[in-house]
Amino acid sequence: EAEVAQSPRYKITEKSQAVAFWCDPISGHATLYWYRQILGQGPELLVQFQDESVVDDSQLPKDRFSAERLKGVDSTLKIQPAELGDSAMYLCASSYDRNSGNTIYFGEGSWLTVV
Amino acid sequence: LAKTTQPISMDSYEGQEVNITCSHNNIATNDYITWYQQFPSQGPRFIIQGYKTKVTNEVASLFIPADRKSSTLSLPRVSLSDTAVYYCLVGDPTGTASKLTFGTGTRLQVTL
Repeated sequence: EAEVAQSPRYKITEKSQAVAFWCDPISGHATLYWYRQILGQGPELLVQFQDESVVDDSQLPKDRFSAERLKGVDSTLKIQPAELGDSAMYLCASSYDRNSGNTIYFGEGSWLTVV
Repeated sequence: LAKTTQPISMDSYEGQEVNITCSHNNIATNDYITWYQQFPSQGPRFIIQGYKTKVTNEVASLFIPADRKSSTLSLPRVSLSDTAVYYCLVGDPTGTASKLTFGTGTRLQVTL
């Protein structure tokens, strides 16, 4: 079964450093999402791409977070500078076609600890 | 946005049927109801999705009454491996994912 790939699985970084997460969606999936999940809470959408275009980044803290999907396939989420409150699991997800209502599939997540 | 309310936690013994109810009084006409399962340190896994009446797959059943203001996820004969957090989401799957808002979920604990 195809999966959404994410790396790194775990990352520890110091406050004020830069950190990046990579995601490779399921092949053929045009829609890609980045979510953040704080321990004990449900996932919160940060940004959504349709192919290479951002369609929703209303919850993305743009002063420190950036996301790109240059060729409409894999994607990178960057945080610079990292803050203690950014410690969370960052989930990437993808779906075949937003307009057809296909199921959203999640990756295993990338755990970030900021010290 | 349709807000969902579900129990914070539930306990069950192995082999029993578990029913988790979700309230969504403000569900919109185009909204579907979707359930995800999440194990610790893993991403959410799709379980089932429905619009009305009853949907069944190899894992669970989803019961939706005519007014669609609530839904019930039914897990037949749970096992220890079903211990997880279950999220009920309500939204238009053809729209932006921001309409598919996760709540805090229901933490199901299955014991022997």
